[in-house]
Amino acid sequence: EAGVAQSPRYKIIEKRQSVAFWCNPISGHATLYWYQQILGQGPKLLIQFQNNGVVDDSQLPKDRFSAERLKGVDSTLKIQPAKLEDSAVYLCASSPAYEQFFGPGTRLTVL
Amino acid sequence: TQLLEQSPQFLSIQEGENLTVYCNSSSVFSSLQWYRQEPGEGPVLLVTVVTGGEVKKLKRLTFQFGDARKDSSLHITAAQPGDTGLYLCAGAPGGNQFYFGTGTSLTVIP
Repeated sequence: EAGVAQSPRYKIIEKRQSVAFWCNPISGHATLYWYQQILGQGPKLLIQFQNNGVVDDSQLPKDRFSAERLKGVDSTLKIQPAKLEDSAVYLCASSPAYEQFFGPGTRLTVL
Repeated sequence: TQLLEQSPQFLSIQEGENLTVYCNSSSVFSSLQWYRQEPGEGPVLLVTVVTGGEVKKLKRLTFQFGDARKDSSLHITAAQPGDTGLYLCAGAPGGNQFYFGTGTSLTVIP
């Protein structure tokens, strides 16, 4: 069974630029999560989708972050414009019920 | 936001030693999970506990859920270098939304 795929694995941008991350969940998993993980800390939930609907986006900075899950499968997370404090690993996870399967993450560096 | 505090934050031990990692909160959780994360990878689920007082064993790892379902512990017996990683607890107040703890970085020295 293929795991959660994310791309790119690494991205370096300058502040005020835009960036997008892509996630392909495990086939058949209805729930998809995006997390932000600062180095050495636990992941912080940004947004949770159930199929193509948003369950929770209360911690998503909506003035600069946006996310969508088209057709209830793939998802993209966008940051526009990026700030220095957005430097982190962005993790995508999918779940059939209560067990989360994580992708390898995208490491974003904002200069 | 459900705050989950883990202690210690960092732990460096010799191979063969035992250790315990704690995960504490003032909130009650319907379930609690433990993950291990290695550098450059996403967290990998180790165990899920759902019943207060529940104890689960996974080889040399023993997990316990507090009676009041507010805290949990992870005990590793005879640690090995392969146990090195970031250990994360994650609690769900209900449903399938999990809040992660602050993390414990474990280094096992050969």
